[in-house]
Amino acid sequence: GESVGLHLPTLSVQEGDNSIINCAYSNSASDYFIWYKQESGKGPQFIIDIRSNMDKRQGQRVTVLLNKTVKHLSLQIAATQPGDSAVYFCAVSSRSGGSYIPTFGRGTSLIVHP
Amino acid sequence: DAMVIQNPRYQVTQFGKPVTLSCSQTLNHNVMYWYQQKSSQAPKLLFHYYDKDFNNEADTPDNFQSRRPNTSFCFLDIRSPGLGDAAMYLCATSRDAGEETQYFGPGTRLLVL
Repeated sequence: GESVGLHLPTLSVQEGDNSIINCAYSNSASDYFIWYKQESGKGPQFIIDIRSNMDKRQGQRVTVLLNKTVKHLSLQIAATQPGDSAVYFCAVSSRSGGSYIPTFGRGTSLIVHP
Repeated sequence: DAMVIQNPRYQVTQFGKPVTLSCSQTLNHNVMYWYQQKSSQAPKLLFHYYDKDFNNEADTPDNFQSRRPNTSFCFLDIRSPGLGDAAMYLCATSRDAGEETQYFGPGTRLLVL
C-alpha cells in the first residue's frame, strides 16, 4: 500500500515570504499527485495537481515540484498571504483495481503572520 | 454555486442511535466518496461508489454503511455510533475513476453524546 507523509506538521511564515511544504510518498508506481488546502471547518479544496510525466507545474502563486527519484513532492507558495493560512494535504494516487484512489498525507498547518 | 452539498453541517446523536448523513452533487460525476476525518488527521477513505458499484475499504468498520440511490445522492449510515465515531465526515466526487480531481463538500461534523 501507499504511505504518504509530510515533513513538518506546522509551518510558520511572515506575510510576503515564500512557503515550501513538502511531502514524501512510498509507492514508486504512484502517478498522480494533488495538493489540497483545507481551511478550518471546510472540506479540502483542490489547489494544483501534477502527473508523473512532469516534474514541475505552476499555477497562480503556487508551484508543485515532483522528484520521482526520491519520491518527493513539494508545494511552493509565493508571497504568502494571511488567507493562505490553512492545512495543506498532499494526496497521491496509484492505480488500484482499475481506479485511482488517492491516499492523503497527514497535513501541514501553514500559519501566516501579518 | 455549491457543487457538493452535505447536510446537515452539524449532527449530534446519542451513543448507539443510528444516524444518516447525506451528500448531493450537481456535477453529474460518476464517483462519490465518503471520508472520515478526525482532528489534525488526514481524511480516511471509508468507501466509494463508481456509479452503482460499491467499494468498501478493508478497514472500514461494519458499523458504517452507504447507499447511493441515484447519481446525485449518496448517504452514509452509522448504525450504532460510538464515541470514537465523532469526526468530520467528508463527501467527495470525481468525474471518473482515473487521474481525476476530487471535489469535496464542506463536511458534516458528527458529535456523539
